[in-house]
Amino acid sequence: NAGVTQTPKFQVLKTGQSMTLQCAQDMNHNSMYWYRQDPGMGLRLIYYSASEGTTDKGEVPNGYNVSRLNKREFSLRLESAAPSQTSVYFCASRALLNTEAFFGQGTRLTVV
Amino acid sequence: AQTVTQSQPEMSVQEAETVTLSCTYDTSESDYYLFWYKQPPSRQMILVIRQEAYKQQNATENRFSVNFQKAAKSFSLKISDSQLGDAAMYFCGAGGTSYGKLTFGQGTILTVHP
Repeated sequence: NAGVTQTPKFQVLKTGQSMTLQCAQDMNHNSMYWYRQDPGMGLRLIYYSASEGTTDKGEVPNGYNVSRLNKREFSLRLESAAPSQTSVYFCASRALLNTEAFFGQGTRLTVV
Repeated sequence: AQTVTQSQPEMSVQEAETVTLSCTYDTSESDYYLFWYKQPPSRQMILVIRQEAYKQQNATENRFSVNFQKAAKSFSLKISDSQLGDAAMYFCGAGGTSYGKLTFGQGTILTVHP
């Protein structure tokens, strides 16, 4: 049972490069989320998809785009990476809006 | 709007003693749920406890319990008989059922001293 799978686990980008973080869940969950974790800032919500076909901005959406490709997959794209986007990124999913979220193992992204 | 605030960046406790981690929240939703997650150095996020806001009774899970004060929008986590394995970062979270947003706080690093 894989749960929530994020790829890649580590990435180094140069300023201005683009990349897509992939997230897939095999639990048939309806809602999916992207967070970034920075020291002292906690977990901040970037974007979320409450159900397949919908996406909404979270607290820190600037510089990011998302795609809910299907019920299983929710990708996060950085069009032009900046050093301020250096962070650990987490994807999460949950079945219903009153249930717990399950998290992936995180992606450590460094922008130089 | 939905916000979660953890005002204690770090806490420490002696093994076998009790510690309380604080959390306050704000939400415009009438139906919502509150969570505490533990993040050990492995970075894995582990659910510790969950509270339904419509329930007055405080949730408990073995050594973990919450003090839920709805009017004060406070949701603290009490860890009894602390163990070395409890050392981790703890995140408080809130999620409403109308829009699906799930928001977390800044985290509290808990150190357990032997």
